[in-house]
Amino acid sequence: NAGVTQTPKFQVLKTGQSMTLQCAQDMNHEYMSWYRQDPGMGLRLIHYSVGAGITDQGEVPNGYNVSRSTTEDFPLRLLSAAPSQTSVYFCASSYPGSYEQYFGPGTRLTVT
Amino acid sequence: KNEVEQSPQNLTAQEGEFITINCSYSVGISALHWLQQHPGGGIVSLFMLSSGKKKHGRLIATINIQEKHSSLHITASHPRDSAVYICAVRSPGGSQGNLIFGKGTKLSVKP
Repeated sequence: NAGVTQTPKFQVLKTGQSMTLQCAQDMNHEYMSWYRQDPGMGLRLIHYSVGAGITDQGEVPNGYNVSRSTTEDFPLRLLSAAPSQTSVYFCASSYPGSYEQYFGPGTRLTVT
Repeated sequence: KNEVEQSPQNLTAQEGEFITINCSYSVGISALHWLQQHPGGGIVSLFMLSSGKKKHGRLIATINIQEKHSSLHITASHPRDSAVYICAVRSPGGSQGNLIFGKGTKLSVKP
């Protein structure tokens, strides 16, 4: 099992550009989520999904879109990148009814 | 005020020392997680507990629900334990995504 994979590992964007951060898991987890991690702050939830076709907003959803067309994939789209979105992004997944989350390796995004 | 507070923020220890990291929270919870973030950035789940105590190798996690406090202990610390340790709590009835994270405790163990 590859676990939770994220691509790319690093990305630099210019303000106003759009891009998609990819997240995939091969553990058949129904629950997936996206977090951002900023210096001096705890991880913050952006969006999450409890199954294919079902998504919901977390604490900091503005500027991001998600969709969940398959159990395996949960991409995060930045619609128009802003310097405030410079952060490290983590995707995580878990079994339904289990609170243990499995994290991807992270994507470090810089917006100039 | 943050809903999850960790102390200390930074901790330096000598190899072999007994280490304690504390987590206090101000909300009702259904579970508390301890996570480890390696220097390379990867995050792994260490413990999830809702009462009592759990042990895994040299790591021990305890929780006191009445006092809204949890501790993570590391016995016989080793330089490979150097990492950021993160406490996170889950509110009752919340979805699996509704974790509230502390800011982390950066541990450095010197040989």
